[in-house]
Amino acid sequence: NAGVTQTPKFQVLKTGQSMTLQCAQDMNHEYMSWYRQDPGMGLRLIHYSVGAGITDQGEVPNGYNVSRSTTEDFPLRLLSAAPSQTSVYFCASSYAAGMNTEAFFGQGTRLTVV
Amino acid sequence: DAKTTQPTSMDCAEGRAANLPCNHSTISGNEYVYWYRQIHSQGPQYIIHGLKNNETNEMASLIITEDRKSSTLILPHATLRDTAVYYCIVRPANYGGSQGNLIFGKGTKLSVKP
Repeated sequence: NAGVTQTPKFQVLKTGQSMTLQCAQDMNHEYMSWYRQDPGMGLRLIHYSVGAGITDQGEVPNGYNVSRSTTEDFPLRLLSAAPSQTSVYFCASSYAAGMNTEAFFGQGTRLTVV
Repeated sequence: DAKTTQPTSMDCAEGRAANLPCNHSTISGNEYVYWYRQIHSQGPQYIIHGLKNNETNEMASLIITEDRKSSTLILPHATLRDTAVYYCIVRPANYGGSQGNLIFGKGTKLSVKP
């Protein structure tokens, strides 16, 4: 059982480049979300999705786009990378609304923008 | 913003019980208390959650005060592998939309020492 898989694990980008961080889950979870974590900080929510075809903004959405065409995948796109987006990115998934169960997190993507 | 308050850091001797407090004085009647931990920048890991009754699983025990304004996570026999940042989070019991998202504070950094 793979759980939540994030790729790549590490990435270095130049300012202005674009890229997509991949997140896939094999647990048929409806909820998926993206967080970023900066040094010494807790996780901050970027975007989330309550099901295929539905996405919404979190606390820090600027500079990021998401889509949810399937239940399994929730990619995060950086349109034009900036040094302020240097961070560790975590993807999470959990069951649908009304079910109090645990959220599962990926192992993170460590992104450096130079 | 996070609806919980936790100490910034705590130490615990290996083999002893680690008691991590959390204040959630504004918790609503339909909100659960969740605990997650993050070991050395890995993805957060679910530990336990509860509504009003004390809960125990293979990892930890959760003690919630009768007025539900605070709780304590207990690791009964802490090991070096329990060194991590521990997050206390409140979440509605029947959530929908953005209410399903986990809002992380800065957590408590627990250091288990030999």
